[in-house]
Amino acid sequence: AQKITQTQPGMFVQEKEAVTLDCTYDTSDQSYGLFWYKQPSSGEMIFLIYQGSYDEQNATEGRYSLNFQKARKSANLVISASQLGDSAMYFCAMRVPRGNNRLAFGKGNQVVVIP
Amino acid sequence: NAGVTQTPKFRVLKTGQSMTLLCAQDMNHEYMYWYRQDPGMGLRLIHYSVGEGTTAKGEVPDGYNVSRLKKQNFLLGLESAAPSQTSVYFCASTYGQGSEAFFGQGTRLTVV
Repeated sequence: AQKITQTQPGMFVQEKEAVTLDCTYDTSDQSYGLFWYKQPSSGEMIFLIYQGSYDEQNATEGRYSLNFQKARKSANLVISASQLGDSAMYFCAMRVPRGNNRLAFGKGNQVVVIP
Repeated sequence: NAGVTQTPKFRVLKTGQSMTLLCAQDMNHEYMYWYRQDPGMGLRLIHYSVGEGTTAKGEVPDGYNVSRLKKQNFLLGLESAAPSQTSVYFCASTYGQGSEAFFGQGTRLTVV
C-alpha cells in the first residue's frame, strides 16, 4: 500500500528566505508519480509540481523545486524566495499506476511566511 | 472551461438524513476521486473510479456509496448521515499517470 509521510510541525519562515518541506513515501512499485499541492486558507487545492519516478532531473516550476532522492524515497519541496502569499498548507501526494492510479496524500505541512 | 465542479458548496444535515454530492468534470478525465479532509488528517480517499461504470473503495469507504454512470460525473452518497461525517469533501479528476489531479472547490458538510 502507498504511504506518504509529512511529519514537520508548523513552520515560520522569513519573507525572501527559502524553505524546505519534507516528504517521504513508501511503495514497492518502480513506476509512480509524486506531486505537491498548496492549500491556502481559502481552501482550494493548487497543483505545484510533479516528479515521475523515472525522471532523472529534479522537477522545477518557477520558485518551486522538488528534491527527489529515489533511494531514500524522499521528495522534498523547496520554495525559494518566500512570499507572504506562500502561507498555506502544503500536501505531498503519490500515485501508483499499478494500484489503479490511486492518489494518496500526506497529512500536510503548515507554512507561515512572516514579513 | 469549468474544470471540476462540486455541488453543493455547503450543506447542513441532521443525523440520519441522506444526501448526494455531485462532482462534474468537463476535461474527459478517466480517473475521479472523492476525498474527505479533517483537521490534522490530510486528505483521505473515500472512493475512486478508473472509468465510466467502475468504482473502488479507498481508505475510508464506510458510510458512503458512489456511482459513475457517466464519465463526466462522480456521485458520492451518504445514506444515513452521522456526525462523524462532518468534514470538507473534495472531488478530483485526472487523465492518469504523469498528469496532475484537478480539484473541485470543496463541499463543507456539517451533520448535527
